[in-house]
Amino acid sequence: QKEVEQDPGPLSVPEGAIVSLNCTYSNSAFQYFMWYRQYSRKGPELLMYTYSSGNKEDGRFTAQVDKSSKYISLFIRDSQPSDSATYLCAMSAPGNTGKLIFGQGTTLQVKP
Amino acid sequence: EAGVAQSPRYKIIEKRQSVAFWCNPISGHATLYWYQQILGQGPKLLIQFQNNGVVDDSQLPKDRFSAERLKGVDSTLKIQPAKLEDSAVYLCASSASDTQYFGPGTRLTVL
Repeated sequence: QKEVEQDPGPLSVPEGAIVSLNCTYSNSAFQYFMWYRQYSRKGPELLMYTYSSGNKEDGRFTAQVDKSSKYISLFIRDSQPSDSATYLCAMSAPGNTGKLIFGQGTTLQVKP
Repeated sequence: EAGVAQSPRYKIIEKRQSVAFWCNPISGHATLYWYQQILGQGPKLLIQFQNNGVVDDSQLPKDRFSAERLKGVDSTLKIQPAKLEDSAVYLCASSASDTQYFGPGTRLTVL
């Protein structure tokens, strides 16, 4: 079993839709949770960073963490064609030198 | 602020040849990471440096991969000899605290 599971998609939605991206994890030591966005032929860029259960909002993006269920989500409101990319969840444990464990990534396409 | 620089961007080699990748991290970032991203997968950490010392190289195939970070700034990752399964994007990242900043990657194709 992988430490971090993420549905690879692809996920195709119309412009303006609400998108929900999810990851599950098995290691209860994970305390820091991140979402990265990766455009084709580019490196990942950090979208959201959280270390507690609950919701964190940044513009059209909301990150949700449920540590009891070992489940994290990223919601994108009013999705735009420019949101078309691969979304990677990543997590790390305290005292683990900052090593990130990534999910497989979900490919999202937002159609105009 | 300049981002993480990597070169070359693309490299095509034949199996059993050697190849080297270069990374210049963001100025002042003490921690540098090399990741391997195989098509359709998330990045996997190969090696982590703190200044010029190795912090974690547990997933580096040491029989063929080597990396160094001289003077705690630039870093090179080498593969010798390359295998077909080494075809991937090699990402360099750097950090000063909790956030890792990634470069554009080097796309390696081994024929």
